[in-house]
Amino acid sequence: RKEVEQDPGPFNVPEGATVAFNCTYSNSASQSFFWYRQDCRKEPKLLMSVYSSGNEDGRFTAQLNRASQYISLLIRDSKLSDSATYLCVVSRSGGGNKLTFGTGTQLKVEL
Amino acid sequence: DVKVTQSSRYLVKRTGEKVFLECVQDMDHENMFWYRQDPGLGLRLIYFSYDVKMKEKGDIPEGYSVSREKKERFSLILESASTNQTSMYLCASSLWTSGNNEQFFGPGTRLTVL
Repeated sequence: RKEVEQDPGPFNVPEGATVAFNCTYSNSASQSFFWYRQDCRKEPKLLMSVYSSGNEDGRFTAQLNRASQYISLLIRDSKLSDSATYLCVVSRSGGGNKLTFGTGTQLKVEL
Repeated sequence: DVKVTQSSRYLVKRTGEKVFLECVQDMDHENMFWYRQDPGLGLRLIYFSYDVKMKEKGDIPEGYSVSREKKERFSLILESASTNQTSMYLCASSLWTSGNNEQFFGPGTRLTVL
């Protein structure tokens, strides 16, 4: 079983749609959770951290369910510029700020 | 702004060659990382360093070594390149503080081994 599992997609949605991605993680000792965004042929960049209470950043909402070990990302009012791959990321136990990356979910927003 | 730079965007080498990939960060970060990214496999950690001259193996260290002689520079070395090391190589850095795990990535080096 992969440590972080995501549906690879692609998710093809029209502009203005709401889309949700989920991911599951296997290490119950993980303490920190993130969504990174990776544009085509570019490096990953942090989109947002994910907190147990849930958090929102503009059109983006992230949720964490520790009991079920899954993380979600909701994007409202999708824009063409949201087209990218979204990586679910969890911290590793043992310190050193090491992270485990999911393989990503591809989103394509269309006119 | 944090800036992480990598010495080459594209590199073509022959089987058996020794390959050096250089990474430099300008934000005085303690931690530096080397990953490779392959379709369907995501980012996999090769090596990690939390201080000058300190290194720790990641998930796939075989066939690679690293060097960190200065805080800002972290080098990845392929001792004898093989075709299965054809990949995108990404360097990243982060602060050494608990609870702050944001990693900042360089633009990547796409290595092809013929």
